[in-house]
Amino acid sequence: DIVMTQSPDSLAVSLGERATINCKSSQSILSSSNNKNFLAWYQQKPGQPPKLLIYWASTRESGVPDRFSGSGSGTDFTLTISSLQAEDVAIYYCQQYYNTPLTFGGGTKVEIK
Amino acid sequence: EVQLLESGGGLVQPGGSLRLSCATSGFTFRSYAMSWVRQAPGKGLEWVSGMSSGGGSTYYADSVKGRFTISRDNSKNMLYLQMDSLRAEDTAVYYCAKRAVTEYYFDSWGQGTLVTVSS
Repeated sequence: DIVMTQSPDSLAVSLGERATINCKSSQSILSSSNNKNFLAWYQQKPGQPPKLLIYWASTRESGVPDRFSGSGSGTDFTLTISSLQAEDVAIYYCQQYYNTPLTFGGGTKVEIK
Repeated sequence: EVQLLESGGGLVQPGGSLRLSCATSGFTFRSYAMSWVRQAPGKGLEWVSGMSSGGGSTYYADSVKGRFTISRDNSKNMLYLQMDSLRAEDTAVYYCAKRAVTEYYFDSWGQGTLVTVSS
């Protein structure tokens, strides 16, 4: 199974500042057939289901604000919130879909400092 | 608008059974693979099971293999999860999730249904 490890477990960022979340996979999730990374990011607010933010490691889902961006390749990935807003307080998860079992990172809780 | 509505959760004793349902609307259900993902109280997300659009292929996490069975009725736009031999560690909110067109990330989720396994 591919293990997804997120860091940090939590972070507190001032409004308008940058938040950076890391995700590392235990093996490469870059496909040689299409040169794409099989990595998605989700946002989960309290009492709500997860919401897709980014797929293919860096493609923003329709309707997601452009302050959210994804980067990385191979085994190391990053989700960046360029200017944190109050509504961004949530837990963020990465997920690999390179193979089954599909696996998620443990989550990173983002709070306001 | 895509809608996924889970039902069937509740309190069940260890060793018991439960059948979850997911009613879908707003998209061509028969064209999409679907999955169940669970979240234990205060914990992260765990993929449980998936099924191809036509129902010919099924996938399970090792933690539920042999105990849970995923199925679908494309004529009714419904997804199911039969859960047998339930254990305390199966206690979680169970989400129905729609797979994206070609790959196994999830672009729509239901609100979830809580399953509690306890005596």
